[in-house]
Amino acid sequence: DAMVIQNPRYQVTQFGKPVTLSCSQTLNHNVMYWYQQKSSQAPKLLFHYYDKDFNNEADTPDNFQSRRPNTSFCFLDIRSPGLGDAAMYLCATSRVLGLAGYVLFGPGTRLTVL
Amino acid sequence: DAKTTQPPSMDCAEGRAANLPCNHSTISGNEYVYWYRQIHSQGPQYIIHGLKNNETNEMASLIITEDRKSSTLILPHATLRDTAVYYCIVPTGNQFYFGTGTSLTVIP
Repeated sequence: DAMVIQNPRYQVTQFGKPVTLSCSQTLNHNVMYWYQQKSSQAPKLLFHYYDKDFNNEADTPDNFQSRRPNTSFCFLDIRSPGLGDAAMYLCATSRVLGLAGYVLFGPGTRLTVL
Repeated sequence: DAKTTQPPSMDCAEGRAANLPCNHSTISGNEYVYWYRQIHSQGPQYIIHGLKNNETNEMASLIITEDRKSSTLILPHATLRDTAVYYCIVPTGNQFYFGTGTSLTVIP
C-alpha cells in the first residue's frame, strides 16, 4: 500500500544535540509537509516543499531546517534541540489539494529531549 | 492560520449520529473543505472533503451549506472507536493549517 513512513517512531536526544527525523513516501506526491504537535495542541505547520521549492512558515524557528533530496524523502533537522522542542513531529504528503487529492499523514515521530 | 471555527468538545451516544459543525465564513469560491480526525497518539486520518455539493463515503457524510460558510460532518452510527479530535480545514493553495478541532467522545 502507498504510504508515508516515518523513522524512527520514537527518538530521544539530549539538550543541544542535533537530531534528524526522516520521512519517506511511496506515492510520488509533489508536496511534503512537516508539522509539530505538542501535547494537547493541534498540529502546527513548520514548512512544506512543493517539489524542490521550500516554503517556510514565518514563525518557524531557525533551529528547524529541512531537506528534500528527492521526491520520496524529506528530513527534519533540529540543530540544537531545547526542552520546548519535545513534541510529536508529523510528516505528510499530497499530490495537489482540491478535487484531485488530500493530505496523507504519517504516524509521527515522538521526540523526547533530555 | 486556520480559517475555521469548531466547538471544542461534543458527546454522542454510541449508535447515534454524530453531527460536528464547522464555520468557515471567509471561504473563497474555489477552496475545499476537508475533515480529518486524530485518535490519541496517531497521525491525523483523512475522512472526507468537498467543494459545494454534499459528499458521502464509507466513513461519513459532509453537508455544506449553500452559501458555503459552514459545514457539518455526520458520522451516521457512532462507535466507541470514533472517539477522537475532529478537524475541519480549509486550505489556501497547499498551506494546510489545523484549527483547534472538536474533541468527540462517544459514550457507551
